[in-house]
Amino acid sequence: NAGVTQTPKFQVLKTGQSMTLQCAQDMNHNSMYWYRQDPGMGLRLIYYSASEGTTDKGEVPNGYNVSRLNKREFSLRLESAAPSQTSVYFCASIGTNYGYTFGSGTRLTVV
Amino acid sequence: QKEVEQNSGPLSVPEGAIASLNCTYSDRGSQSFFWYRQYSGKSPELIMSIYSNGDKEDGRFTAQLNKASQYVSLLIRDSQPSDSATYLCAFDVDYGQNFVFGPGTRLSVLP
Repeated sequence: NAGVTQTPKFQVLKTGQSMTLQCAQDMNHNSMYWYRQDPGMGLRLIYYSASEGTTDKGEVPNGYNVSRLNKREFSLRLESAAPSQTSVYFCASIGTNYGYTFGSGTRLTVV
Repeated sequence: QKEVEQNSGPLSVPEGAIASLNCTYSDRGSQSFFWYRQYSGKSPELIMSIYSNGDKEDGRFTAQLNKASQYVSLLIRDSQPSDSATYLCAFDVDYGQNFVFGPGTRLSVLP
């Protein structure tokens, strides 16, 4: 099915470990985004990429890095995970109706 | 700091009633406004977008926008138990490069 695919769906990390969250979209969208969602705080933008080859910081970029590998793929990396990064992470892309299509999310727990 | 406020929940309405969800935003330059529905444990899905002052209707959903008051609302007519979810409003910043989300309002429709 067309859409945004995120992997993994669940992950438990120990403090200090690293990991990469993968995201791919097959809708030929230019813009892709990474958000985190915490209880009571809504969705907060971590990084976004307006087009292949460009990335920009969002509201909460500290502790994260991103790579726009090609038009389809946008990955999020945690170099040294911290308990404060326990959250649900959503990748999204923007379509012609100007609204986001979200991936199914990654539930990350850092212990 | 761009901010979005939504009426605090949870909001409970009986089946068949009208549910009214409200949102105020801080950025006078915003041009695009969205309502997303998020079921528990799932990703947000776009249900309405509105760009001009006034009302926009789509089935049982009506979005209302008042840019002068920086206010957008969502009315759900003939509410159904399947409408029970968290509703997020969002508006664009940076000329549509990214979007700010409100914290969400949880709606419960009681059979």
